[in-house]
Amino acid sequence: NAGVMQNPRHLVRRRGQEARLRCSPMKGHSHVYWYRQLPEEGLKFMVYLQKENIIDESGMPKERFSAEFPKEGPSILRIQQVVRGDSAAYFCASSPGTGDYEQYFGPGTRLTVT
Amino acid sequence: KNEVEQSPQNLTAQEGEFITINCSYSVGISALHWLQQHPGGGIVSLFMLSSGKKKHGRLIATINIQEKHSSLHITASHPRDSAVYICAVKRGSQGNLIFGKGTKLSVKP
Repeated sequence: NAGVMQNPRHLVRRRGQEARLRCSPMKGHSHVYWYRQLPEEGLKFMVYLQKENIIDESGMPKERFSAEFPKEGPSILRIQQVVRGDSAAYFCASSPGTGDYEQYFGPGTRLTVT
Repeated sequence: KNEVEQSPQNLTAQEGEFITINCSYSVGISALHWLQQHPGGGIVSLFMLSSGKKKHGRLIATINIQEKHSSLHITASHPRDSAVYICAVKRGSQGNLIFGKGTKLSVKP
């Protein structure tokens, strides 16, 4: 049973470009969480999705950021018109439900905006 | 004030020492997680607990719900335990975690 997969592991974008980060949850998991870790800071919640639904996006910046988790395929975190302040490690985690289940983390995508 | 506070921020220990990392939180929770982040950046879930105590190998995690406090203990520490240890809490029906800033542990041989 493969763990949570994220790709790419490293992504370099110039200011103004778009970044697409992908997350494939563990088999059997239908809940995905995205977290961001800015340099020298702790992890912060961004968005929580179930298949085809956004459950909680209270941690998402109001502009330029969007997320989806389609019926088929990975969850996508999309950042439009990236700025230097978007440089961070983006982690996704998955769980089988909303109860007190463990969340399993992917290896992260390190985004660098030049 | 952060909802989840960890102490110490940094900890240096000699190999073999007993280590304690503390976590206090100020909100109602349904579960508390201890995570380990390696120097390469990957995050591993060590424990999830909502009461009492759990043990896995040389790691022990305890939680006191009334005092809103949890501790992570490492017995017979080893240089390979060097990592950042992160406390995170889950609030009730919400799915997301709220994280402490982490404790950076360095174990010297």
